[in-house]
Amino acid sequence: EDQVTQSPEALRLQEGESSSLNCSYTVSGLRGLFWYRQDPGKGPEFLFTLYSAGEEKEKERLKATLTKKESFLHITAPKPEDSATYLCAVDSNYQLIWGAGTKLIIKP
Amino acid sequence: DGGITQSPKYLFRKEGQNVTLSCEQNLNHDAMYWYRQDPGQGLRLIYYSQIVNDFQKGDIAEGYSVSREKKESFPLTVTSAQKNPTAFYLCASSTQGGPYEQYFGPGTRLTVT
Repeated sequence: EDQVTQSPEALRLQEGESSSLNCSYTVSGLRGLFWYRQDPGKGPEFLFTLYSAGEEKEKERLKATLTKKESFLHITAPKPEDSATYLCAVDSNYQLIWGAGTKLIIKP
Repeated sequence: DGGITQSPKYLFRKEGQNVTLSCEQNLNHDAMYWYRQDPGQGLRLIYYSQIVNDFQKGDIAEGYSVSREKKESFPLTVTSAQKNPTAFYLCASSTQGGPYEQYFGPGTRLTVT
């Protein structure tokens, strides 16, 4: 069964403390992996698409990487405004399978 | 500005009533989707449509219905047959084919009492 698991469920960091969020997946045919950011009570906002192992994408303090079994979202020197839930989704056979998300809290 | 709009933002209904959630996009996307989001769970697909006048059931279609009469619009009706309708509903759209990223609306929070 296709499955996407995100860890940890929640992560509290001090401002400036770098860390990584994990998205592990088991799918029959990976066509792409997507990262989104979601603020409370709002729709998810698209961040990155990764298509193949070894690929990396960067945007400001965020960097996404992909291997054959998992993806990491690295956050460098985070600020309080980076606090949000980060969602991972995998395109398998033309449908997205979603993880439950990691809630990231950055304390000033 | 291109984007997806959903209305209303909050919706309250009594049990036994059908309710329709609106979704409109001006991104010229062929594909549109409806998801349900519950606390602690990933997004679950209710229905999707890849072209006008055609739509497919997702993983949790029971108790829901949709129509796709125009490219820009994909309304979702939550019927009285849906056993647990209180949730946050998200509409999304994307270019057909893919894999392409989906773009989301702001969501509608439905509360049924």
